[in-house]
Amino acid sequence: AQSVAQPEDQVNVAEGNPLTVKCTYSVSGNPYLFWYVQYPNRGLQFLLKYITGDNLVKGSYGFEAEFNKSQTSFHLKKPSALVSDSALYFCAVRAPYGNNRLAFGKGNQVVVIP
Amino acid sequence: NAGVTQTPKFQVLKTGQSMTLQCAQDMNHEYMSWYRQDPGMGLRLIHYSVGAGITDQGEVPNGYNVSRSTTEDFPLRLLSAAPSQTSVYFCATGTRQGLRGYTFGSGTRLTVV
Repeated sequence: AQSVAQPEDQVNVAEGNPLTVKCTYSVSGNPYLFWYVQYPNRGLQFLLKYITGDNLVKGSYGFEAEFNKSQTSFHLKKPSALVSDSALYFCAVRAPYGNNRLAFGKGNQVVVIP
Repeated sequence: NAGVTQTPKFQVLKTGQSMTLQCAQDMNHEYMSWYRQDPGMGLRLIHYSVGAGITDQGEVPNGYNVSRSTTEDFPLRLLSAAPSQTSVYFCATGTRQGLRGYTFGSGTRLTVV
């Protein structure tokens, strides 16, 4: 079964500094990987995905993520954080076969300090 | 397009009561699922469906029922509510191939007293 680990409960970063949110995964076969963001009292919104191709994928709101197969990681990054990036971030993975069932991590709370 | 519509947004139940959370989508997605979100526990899958007439259990199915009579609707039934079912519930849908991830509803915040 697939699984995701997001090792840090909360990430604090100063506005304007680089932001990194870590994610490692476990799955049989080549993974489909996703990042979602959740603002307070809202549903999850899709940020970006890796299915195949370039290891560096770009998504919404200036976010990007790097797929590293040898380290089974898919860390989310943003070069310069904004206060409005403060939210809960979820990493998710699924196997490339079978049904469309995603496994989510526990989420990382990102706090951007003005 | 409305996307994924969940109703109600908020609900308070007494222990032992039953209710149905509604999820409707207009994107012709084959895959539909229900998650509950609890602090520190992330999203846990309750039930899912890969098409009309087909449902299956997720990680935490006990106390919940689902059915999928149409492509558009995937209601979640709480049979006899318990305080442990106090949570935020999300419906998520996707294509069969799953190459675009999920589209989420805005959630239902349920409190069982």
